[in-house]
Amino acid sequence: GAVVSQHPSRVICKSGTSVKIECRSLDFQATTMFWYRQFPKQSLMLMATSNEGSKATYEQGVEKDKFLINHASLTLSTLTVTSAHPEDSSFYICSASPLQEIYTFGSGTRLTVV
Amino acid sequence: AQSVTQLDSHVSVSEGTPVLLRCNYSSSYSPSLFWYVQHPNKGLQLLLKYTSAATLVKGINGFEAEFKKSETSFHLTKPSAHMSDAAEYFCVVSEVQGAQKLVFGQGTRLTINP
Repeated sequence: GAVVSQHPSRVICKSGTSVKIECRSLDFQATTMFWYRQFPKQSLMLMATSNEGSKATYEQGVEKDKFLINHASLTLSTLTVTSAHPEDSSFYICSASPLQEIYTFGSGTRLTVV
Repeated sequence: AQSVTQLDSHVSVSEGTPVLLRCNYSSSYSPSLFWYVQHPNKGLQLLLKYTSAATLVKGINGFEAEFKKSETSFHLTKPSAHMSDAAEYFCVVSEVQGAQKLVFGQGTRLTINP
């Protein structure tokens, strides 16, 4: 079946540095991918919609310059957390839709900023 | 705009007893509805989905859900709980029309007692 691979699964970085998270569709092409953020014991909140070959669409309240999204190919979207701070620590999950009304999620990335 | 309300933040049942996780939705259009399960520090796995076909939807691992338009509900049930069912469950709605955006409920943590 359709698989979305997310890497890394865990990352610890120092405050002020940048971290890149990759999301790959392994056996299908994804013109659109979705990035979510999940705080502990809370639900998933959509951060942005990544569009292949064009700019991402960010949800209200999400800082475009802090969370850089690049979708350079039909199988890869990246989320870069720039100048990370402890409040950026969270669980980030990507998703893609291999078929209409089918959504496949990556296994998530636990980001800890120290 | 769509919204989803999961009526219980935590449900605890004994192994072998029925499970009921409640979900109410609000949507401007004919909705597509999903139930996803998330185990700790993992991505989301689709249990089942409703997309305007049969109102009783059967999913994986013995779960099923019934779409009741008059009650705007989409409750998740399982006749007999298993220890491996312990996880976080999310009720999700998407618009059939417009962007492929998913709106997540707050989540219900299911605990199974031996």
